[in-house]
Amino acid sequence: DQQVKQNSPSLSVQEGRISILNCDYTNSMFDYFLWYKKYPAEGPTFLISISSIKDKNEDGRFTVFLNKSAKHLSLHIVPSQPGDSAVYFCAATLYNTDKLIFGTGTRLQVFP
Amino acid sequence: GAVVSQHPSWVICKSGTSVKIECRSLDFQATTMFWYRQFPKQSLMLMATSNEGSKATYEQGVEKDKFLINHASLTLSTLTVTSAHPEDSSFYICSARANNEQFFGPGTRLTVL
Repeated sequence: DQQVKQNSPSLSVQEGRISILNCDYTNSMFDYFLWYKKYPAEGPTFLISISSIKDKNEDGRFTVFLNKSAKHLSLHIVPSQPGDSAVYFCAATLYNTDKLIFGTGTRLQVFP
Repeated sequence: GAVVSQHPSWVICKSGTSVKIECRSLDFQATTMFWYRQFPKQSLMLMATSNEGSKATYEQGVEKDKFLINHASLTLSTLTVTSAHPEDSSFYICSARANNEQFFGPGTRLTVL
C-alpha cells in the first residue's frame, strides 16, 4: 500500500526551463511534506518542505505547491540547471510522528 | 548542516553470515535515529526507529530478531543483519534527527551471495 506516489519515474528538461515534479498521497493525516534530492550511492538530502496548513513554500529556485483537496503536491524548479539532475523523492510525515513515508522517486535529467 | 556517516559504505558477504552496519552522527547528538532500506527503483522504506538507551521500534513486517538494532550512545546506532540471505541485499540508509530535521547518512550497499 503505497501512501505516497510519484507516478513519473523520470523527467527530462532542458536547462533554463521549468522542471515540475509531481507527488500524490492518500493519507489525509499527513501533516508535513518534504522533498529530498538523492544522487546514486548517497543518502537523500533535504530540499524543501511544506506544512499541511500552507499551499505554497518558496526557497530560491525551488517552490513546492500543496493542493490538499486533491491530495497532490508538486515541486517546481526554475530555472533548471544540469546540477539539478538527480532522483527526487517526496515524503510525508503523520501527525505527531517523525516517520518519513517516501514516494518511489522521479529521476530528473536536465540537459544543456 | 549536521553530518551523518555510515560504515561500511558497501559490503559483500556469504549467505548465512551476519553483517553489522554503523551509523554515526558526527557533530551532534541524536537521541533518535532511523533505519531505512531501499530496493532498486523503489522508495525508501522505514524499517525501525532507534532510540538511545531503549529498544528499537520496528515497522510492521520487519523481523526484529533478524535486524538487530543497538543505539548504545547518543552518536552511534548499529544495525546487524543476522543470517543474511540474498533477499536481504539492498541499500540501507540511516538518518538522525536534529532540530526537528532528519539528516541522512550516505547509505550502505549490502550484497549477499
